[in-house]
Amino acid sequence: GENVEQHPSTLSVQEGDSAVIKCTYSDSASNYFPWYKQELGKRPQLIIDIRSNVGEKKDQRIAVTLNKTAKHFSLHITETQPEDSAVYFCAATFSGGSYIPTFGRGTSLIVHP
Amino acid sequence: GAVVSQHPSRVICKSGTSVKIECRSLDFQATTMFWYRQFPKKSLMLMATSNEGSKATYEQGVEKDKFLINHASLTLSTLTVTSAHPEDSSFYICSATTTSGLQETQYFGPGTRLLVL
Repeated sequence: GENVEQHPSTLSVQEGDSAVIKCTYSDSASNYFPWYKQELGKRPQLIIDIRSNVGEKKDQRIAVTLNKTAKHFSLHITETQPEDSAVYFCAATFSGGSYIPTFGRGTSLIVHP
Repeated sequence: GAVVSQHPSRVICKSGTSVKIECRSLDFQATTMFWYRQFPKKSLMLMATSNEGSKATYEQGVEKDKFLINHASLTLSTLTVTSAHPEDSSFYICSATTTSGLQETQYFGPGTRLLVL
């Protein structure tokens, strides 16, 4: 089955800095890679996703890159703000018939004002 | 994005009782629904995958007689924790997937915090 590793487990940055969270996956059949943001006590919210036919996707201050050859993908947050503080989860799955995502362990991002 | 609701948001029950949690997709018909359990500061642990009209597929180590899943329609799935014990106390989250073409997208419910006394 799929195995997803996520690093770092905790990331502390100053407001305005950039934050990068990295994930690796093991199953070359995986073709869909969503990222979720979960605030304390709340539901995970889909913030960005990327499919295997593209290498990079950007939405305002967040971007995701995918390297299929190396089987890794990363979340980039620029100009971080205190409200970006949350736990971020990456996931990998095959989308198109048997969608059962495997989640990373999560990264607790703390943005200091 | 699509909306998934979950009820109740919080429940406290006595040991030995059963608790039912409902998960609804409000503005779409869900291809598949998932049930997760989440411990404090931990990742999402998949308990089971549920498709409408068929039996749920449980992950290894999850007792199907303990955690009963019923997927009655394309918009409703229920999880019943039977004979609950304090160790069942946790945050339970459901999710539902929509499909566009051959591409699925997963949306989560707000979660149910269960406390068993």
